[in-house]
Parts: sequence; C-alpha cells; structure tokens
Amino acid sequence: SQELEQSPQSLIVQEGKNLTINCTSSKTLYGLYWYKQKYGEGLIFLMMLQKGGEEKSHEKITAKLDEKKQQSSLHITASQPSHAGIYLCGGRGSNYKLTFGKGTLLTVNP
Amino acid sequence: ETGVTQTPRHLVMGMTNKKSLKCEQHLGHNAMYWYKQSAKKPLELMFVYNFKEQTENNSVPSRFSPECPNSSHLFLHLHTLQPEDSALYLCASSQVRGVYNEQFFGPGTRLTVL
Repeated sequence: SQELEQSPQSLIVQEGKNLTINCTSSKTLYGLYWYKQKYGEGLIFLMMLQKGGEEKSHEKITAKLDEKKQQSSLHITASQPSHAGIYLCGGRGSNYKLTFGKGTLLTVNP
Repeated sequence: ETGVTQTPRHLVMGMTNKKSLKCEQHLGHNAMYWYKQSAKKPLELMFVYNFKEQTENNSVPSRFSPECPNSSHLFLHLHTLQPEDSALYLCASSQVRGVYNEQFFGPGTRLTVL
C-alpha cells in the first residue's frame, strides 16, 4: 500500500520567515494534493499537482512535484500568523486511492 | 465555507447509545466519503459512495453503518461504539468523472465515546 511521509512533523517560525514542508511517497504518485487544516476542523484544499516537475503557486504558497513524482514540497514565503495550521499532503497511487500523510503542524509567531 | 456541511459539530455519547452523523454537500458532486481522523495518525478512509452506491468499505467495523439516500446527503449511523472510536469524523465530496478530482471536506464532527 502507498504511504506518505511528511517532514517535519512540526515547525515553529518567526513571522516573515520562509519555510518548506516535504512530502515523500513510497510509490509513484498520480496526483498529489495539499490541504490545510485548522485544529479540529475540516481540510481546506490548496493545490493539486499531477505532472512530474509541475509547480503551482497561490499567493505566498508554492508547491512542487519532482520529476519522478514521488516527492513534493510546499514552500511558504514571508510567513504570516494566518498561515498557521496543519498541512496535509494526500497522494493518489496507481489504484487511484487517496492516501494522506500525518500532517505538519505549523506555528507562526508574531 | 467549502460547500460541505456536517452536523452535529460535537457529539458525546455512551457506549450503548445510537446516534447519527449527517453530511450535506451543495457542490453538485456525485461522490461522497467518510474519513476518520485520530490523533497522531493519518486520515483514514472509511467509506466511499459514487452516485449513491457504496463502492468502498475500508474494513470498517459494523458498529459504523453508512447511508447515502441521494448524491447530496450522507449519514453515518453509530451504535455500541468503543472509547477508541473517539475521533474527528470528516465528510468529503468530489466529482466522480475524472479520477484525479480533488475532494472538498466538511468541518467534521468531534466524537467522544465515554
């Protein structure tokens, strides 16, 4: 079965700093999804990546999928307190099933 | 607001109680999902419905019983639960057409089993 490992598990940064969260799959990904979750709430869809080498940006968040389609990174530029939350990556394998990582807890200190 | 609503948001029940969780989507989607989110664990898929038909049951104990009367509504009926069933239960929806469509999640129901 496909497994997704996220690193780091948690991250504390000062407001204004850049940061990167990684997501590594044990198998080739046929779709990679990034979500954000406020504690105890639902997931908010951020971005989807499908092609090797693909990169997408929305406001100050950029997500990339490597050429081999097994690793993705989420980069936040000039972080703000509003970026705080849990970031989850979800990946589809060849069986189209969606598997999630355990999440990365981001704290942004003002 | 993601277009997916869940009620109740919080639920406390005893092990002998029977309760139901409700999910409704206003996005015109035709696939709906139940997930369980426990502390320190990845999100676990429980059930999948496509066009009201159950297409996946991820080895979920029979004390959880899903129901999908139409493409917009999904229920999870609960009975004789165990304390380890305490978790955040999330509902999601998506389009079926195209296997890579993203899922949209509701806010979840925080369930505590005493």
